[in-house]
Amino acid sequence: DVHLVESGGGLVQPGGSLRLHCAASGFIFNKYWMSWVRQAPGKGLEWVANIKPDGSANFYVDSVRGRFTISRDNAKNSLYLQMSSLRAEDTAMYYCARGVGAIDWGQGTLATVSS
Amino acid sequence: QSVLTQPPSASGTPGQRVTISCSGSTSNIGRNTVNWYQQLPGVAPKLLISTNDQRPSGIPDRFSGSKSGTSASLAIGGLQPEDEADYYCGAWDDSLSAWVFGGGTKLTV
Repeated sequence: DVHLVESGGGLVQPGGSLRLHCAASGFIFNKYWMSWVRQAPGKGLEWVANIKPDGSANFYVDSVRGRFTISRDNAKNSLYLQMSSLRAEDTAMYYCARGVGAIDWGQGTLATVSS
Repeated sequence: QSVLTQPPSASGTPGQRVTISCSGSTSNIGRNTVNWYQQLPGVAPKLLISTNDQRPSGIPDRFSGSKSGTSASLAIGGLQPEDEADYYCGAWDDSLSAWVFGGGTKLTV
């Protein structure tokens, strides 16, 4: 079974940074695009970023481009999201997902940006 | 304002059939396939339909998807109380180079 476990969320002040981690298992990690999707409290889903299987290409939603960096370590079956210059509007549950189209999802990790 | 447009709410009684629409444009649904997701209260979303009309393993055949032009639809037949959830459509947008979601439809049974 595919298993995705996110970690790294927490409370951070505006302007601060967080690094999210997604541990993947149950599939051949280096064969799949991977994505981050977020959901602000009480709101809908928002795709954040994705990354090619070999890490050579990635895409971002406009609102995070230049502030967030998606990366992966295929040797460790791990996906990361480095979030910098955080704003209150970045407060959300962050989900790791397998594939461009989010075939499988983790349980999420909550990032709260507040002073 | 979401790139893909869904009705904010839908409702039905047990046993009924309901349809949820998802309207896009030539840069997303018009050129690419559509996925549908179900999010039960308090849990992570789950893929319900992939590639317009394909059900992943374990998804009942009461759920079906279709696409025509720049619009897609999710149909749920034989409604059950446990179908009460939020439903989202999603597709790749070639102009934005981004995955886009609909705003979500809250289904009440």
